[in-house]
Amino acid sequence: AQKITQTQPGMFVQEKEAVTLDCTYDTSDPSYGLFWYKQPSSGEMIFLIYQGSYDQQNATEGRYSLNFQKARKSANLVISASQLGDSAMYFCAMREGGGSYKLIFGSGTRLLVRP
Amino acid sequence: GAGVSQSPSNKVTEKGKDVELRCDPISGHTALYWYRQSLGQGLEFLIYFQGNSAPDKSGLPSDRFSAERTGGSVSTLTIQRTQQEDSAVYLCASSLVTAGGYNEQFFGPGTRLTVL
Repeated sequence: AQKITQTQPGMFVQEKEAVTLDCTYDTSDPSYGLFWYKQPSSGEMIFLIYQGSYDQQNATEGRYSLNFQKARKSANLVISASQLGDSAMYFCAMREGGGSYKLIFGSGTRLLVRP
Repeated sequence: GAGVSQSPSNKVTEKGKDVELRCDPISGHTALYWYRQSLGQGLEFLIYFQGNSAPDKSGLPSDRFSAERTGGSVSTLTIQRTQQEDSAVYLCASSLVTAGGYNEQFFGPGTRLTVL
């Protein structure tokens, strides 16, 4: 069963506007972590933001924030004031508890920022 | 400090040959991971090493794939009798493992494997 779902294969956003990238997940483990990574065309994976399942507040890191709705099992990434350099693939990933720190990734969303 | 390094950056091989891919993690990171990314796809977990514990091999797609981590540092992923479907970018990552920490994974640049 697919545990991380990103339903937007591609998204466009106008420079300086905000954009939301969707991510839903499925787990029966009460302890888990959610990550967002950015992959530019150069190929490297860049960690953006983390949300723990027990965190009371939504995570924020600069222009990135995570809209965490636990009951709906969604962890959407919000990028504010988009910049041309934000054009990249974005992956949502989940780490379950149980001692293994492996990540399960979604299929990604390609974001293109228009000038 | 130095990030995760991988070698070679590109590898072209013929079907049926064996290949070895190397990963040098960030110094001090006890956890090391291998993932595979096929063209236009997300990352697929292969194997995970943590300290002296038995590795989590649950993601290895077949017994042609194996990996080892010597001395708790450098890791080698070996693919025997390569097949065309093995063509992908192989990404290595490392992380700390600390209670209460993000323990985010830091990725290397990857090895692009092409099997002809």
